[in-house]
Amino acid sequence: GAVVSQHPSRVICKSGTSVKIECRSLDFQATTMFWYRQFPKQSLMLMATSNEGSKATYEQGVEKDKFLINHASLTLSTLTVTSAHPEDSSFYICSASLAGGHTDTQYFGPGTRLTVL
Amino acid sequence: AQSVSQHNHHVILSEAASLELGCNYSYGGTVNLFWYVQYPGQHLQLLLKYFSGDPLVKGIKGFEAEFIKSKFSFNLRKPSVQWSDTAEYFCAFRGTSYGKLTFGQGTILTVHP
Repeated sequence: GAVVSQHPSRVICKSGTSVKIECRSLDFQATTMFWYRQFPKQSLMLMATSNEGSKATYEQGVEKDKFLINHASLTLSTLTVTSAHPEDSSFYICSASLAGGHTDTQYFGPGTRLTVL
Repeated sequence: AQSVSQHNHHVILSEAASLELGCNYSYGGTVNLFWYVQYPGQHLQLLLKYFSGDPLVKGIKGFEAEFIKSKFSFNLRKPSVQWSDTAEYFCAFRGTSYGKLTFGQGTILTVHP
């Protein structure tokens, strides 16, 4: 099956710093990548949808200036948490879609655990 | 608003018991339906999906799910669970008029040997 990687798997940072998380599709080209956030004992909440070469579409309530998404190539999308605060601590998961249309399937990365001190 | 509800937060079974996890969605149009599994320490993996056709869908590892349109349900079943099925299971759906995936709250399955 399609493989999606994320880096780093775990990051601890100080409040006020910025953190970049990478999401790569290893064996396929992903027209669309998605970023989710998962709180403990809760489901995945979609943060934004990014299409290669265009601006990301953010879900309601997600600050686009705080969570910067770049999808510069068909195999790489990055999420930058700017000026991180303790409330941004969470598990961030990306997924990549093969076709981006209505019959595609999303393949998920292993997630990145962010802890902001 | 579209939503997914999974009835059980935590299910505990003994090996060889039968499993059924409930999933109901709220959406007025045509849907694509998914079940994902997350084993401890691993990423989400697709178990099975329904787009169209036969409403009884068979997935990996002996799992199956049935789409019942009149009940807005997509319950996951397995006739005989194994210890290795211990994981968290997420139901998700996508309205085909919009590509966003909506996930249920997840059901933790613990199988005792």
